[in-house]
Amino acid sequence: GAGVSQSPRYKVAKRGQDVALRCDPISGHVSLFWYQQALGQGPEFLTYFQNEAQLDKSGLPSDRFFAERPEGSVSTLKIQRTQQEDSAVYLCASSPRQGFGYGYTFGSGTRLTVV
Amino acid sequence: KNEVEQSPQNLTAQEGEFITINCSYSVGISALHWLQQHPGGGIVSLFMLSSGKKKHGRLIATINIQEKHSSLHITASHPRDSAVYICAVLSNSGNTPLVFGKGTRLSVIA
Repeated sequence: GAGVSQSPRYKVAKRGQDVALRCDPISGHVSLFWYQQALGQGPEFLTYFQNEAQLDKSGLPSDRFFAERPEGSVSTLKIQRTQQEDSAVYLCASSPRQGFGYGYTFGSGTRLTVV
Repeated sequence: KNEVEQSPQNLTAQEGEFITINCSYSVGISALHWLQQHPGGGIVSLFMLSSGKKKHGRLIATINIQEKHSSLHITASHPRDSAVYICAVLSNSGNTPLVFGKGTRLSVIA
């Protein structure tokens, strides 16, 4: 596609519910990143994929968070048993090259509200 | 202390004013990014720089590596420039993710 597409744009979940957030990167982009942005804060790194391989998941805040990119294109970020502190905008970005050091294209984000 | 500090946190300007947003960082870097985030949440990359100065339209970004400081300038500001401007740095210490500042919320009033 022309850009990075994320869905849904908005998600309201009841505490304890599982959610799945989707990222569709630019076609052919090797690298894919997930970030979490709490209200009034800058984005914070969650995880990084190079093609289908999850090379860095150091930013995932707990074992309730799980990400996958099984075919090296679309990625899903899953949050199990959501808690109120999970409320944030979840941003996905992709890059045509390997690693962290190059230009990124960001999606519009998914705003998750846990009630 | 955060690795990336931005100032001011909030800025209100009259249309036409010259605007400066500052970013200071505490680590050695290989690159610094300036990004723009509109209320809908999407982030647009404005500049990636590692030295000197870059210009694109009414936007100018400068960086002083020795002083660990970067500035984003907007000339002849316009209400459509209203957004959150975020500075992010890439450490030169290895293959590590971007570290973001908290952003500067700019409102330009007609």
